[in-house]
Amino acid sequence: QKEVEQDPGPLSVPEGAIVSLNCTYSNSAFQYFMWYRQYSRKGPELLMYTYSSGNKEDGRFTAQVDKSSKYISLFIRDSQPSDSATYLCAMTSYYSSASKIIFGSGTRLSIRP
Amino acid sequence: NAGVTQTPKFQVLKTGQSMTLQCAQDMNHNSMYWYRQDPGMGLRLIYYSASEGTTDKGEVPNGYNVSRLNKREFSLRLESAAPSQTSVYFCASSPGGLAGLSSYNEQFFGPGTRLTVL
Repeated sequence: QKEVEQDPGPLSVPEGAIVSLNCTYSNSAFQYFMWYRQYSRKGPELLMYTYSSGNKEDGRFTAQVDKSSKYISLFIRDSQPSDSATYLCAMTSYYSSASKIIFGSGTRLSIRP
Repeated sequence: NAGVTQTPKFQVLKTGQSMTLQCAQDMNHNSMYWYRQDPGMGLRLIYYSASEGTTDKGEVPNGYNVSRLNKREFSLRLESAAPSQTSVYFCASSPGGLAGLSSYNEQFFGPGTRLTVL
């Protein structure tokens, strides 16, 4: 079983829809939870990160962590065609070196105009 | 600032050939990383260098070697390429050190090298 599981999609929604992307994990030591966005043929870039449980909002994006269920989500409101990309969840623990990040396999998202 | 740069962008090798992937960063970061990305597998860490002068194995180090040439540069070498090493390779860097209670050492990624081994 992988430490981090992510539905690969693809997910296709109309412009303006609310998008929900999710990951589950098995390691209870994870403390930092990240979402990276990767456009086609580009490197990943950090979108948001959350420490421990709770919600974090940044514009149209909301990251949510439920440590009791080992479940994290990324919500995109008022989705735009420019949001079309692959979204990778990632996580690491406080006690590990910052180098040891575990990535999900990514969900490919397409926003239809 | 260029951020993280990688060369080459594309490469085709025959089985058994060797090559070195180059990576450089201009952000004065202490830590650097090499990942490979395969369909359905996400990003997997090959090797990393927590600071200049140190290197450590990641999740999938077999068939690779690395050199942290100086603080800016971190190279990845394939001594005898195999078709299983066909992948997209990403270099990344971060300020380094242990993550604090409320801070996070963001990793910045390069544009990638697409490698095909025939």
